Amino acid sequence: GAGVSQSPSNKVTEKGKDVELRCDPISGHTALYWYRQSLGQGLEFLIYFQGNSAPDKSGLPSDRFSAERTGGSVSTLTIQRTQQEDSAVYLCASSRPRDSIQVEFFGPGTRLTVL
Amino acid sequence: AQSVSQHNHHVILSEAASLELGCNYSYGGTVNLFWYVQYPGQHLQLLLKYFSGDPLVKGIKGFEAEFIKSKFSFNLRKPSVQWSDTAEYFCAVNAVNRDDKIIFGKGTRLHILP
Repeated sequence: GAGVSQSPSNKVTEKGKDVELRCDPISGHTALYWYRQSLGQGLEFLIYFQGNSAPDKSGLPSDRFSAERTGGSVSTLTIQRTQQEDSAVYLCASSRPRDSIQVEFFGPGTRLTVL
Repeated sequence: AQSVSQHNHHVILSEAASLELGCNYSYGGTVNLFWYVQYPGQHLQLLLKYFSGDPLVKGIKGFEAEFIKSKFSFNLRKPSVQWSDTAEYFCAVNAVNRDDKIIFGKGTRLHILP
């Protein structure tokens, strides 16, 4: 596709439910990032995938958060037992291979609202 | 771990005023530096980037940034702002040869008065 796509664009859920957010990166981009954007908090790094290397999970805020990337392409971010403080816009970005100059391309985000 | 500080959280200027947004990072090695912009209701998009060479980088829409290694800074500038520059601006850093993740600052909301 022409850019990074994310689905759903909006998700409203009840506290305690699990949610899955999807990211389709740009074809050929081996690096994939998840960030969380909250009012007043800027962009918070969550997790980073680079090719076949082990993902950098250092930004995940709790063990309720997990992410996987299947076949080096599509990624899903899963939040279990959602809490109200999880409400935010979740952004996915992808970039070119490690040996190339890396510039992230961002998706439109998924706005998550936990009631 | 590397971190990025943006000193101004909210800036309000009149049209034609000059702009400088501060950005400092903490990492002693080689870095790649970025400024991203998010216009109201739109995606984040790259404004300009520094990888190597001339420390004064020109970006889109008349923006520029200067990498000052001794000050660990990468401030964004524009000599004369327009109402259409109203947006949120994010500075970001990538520590080369350490890990490849890109860390962002908390952003600066810029509001230009017409």
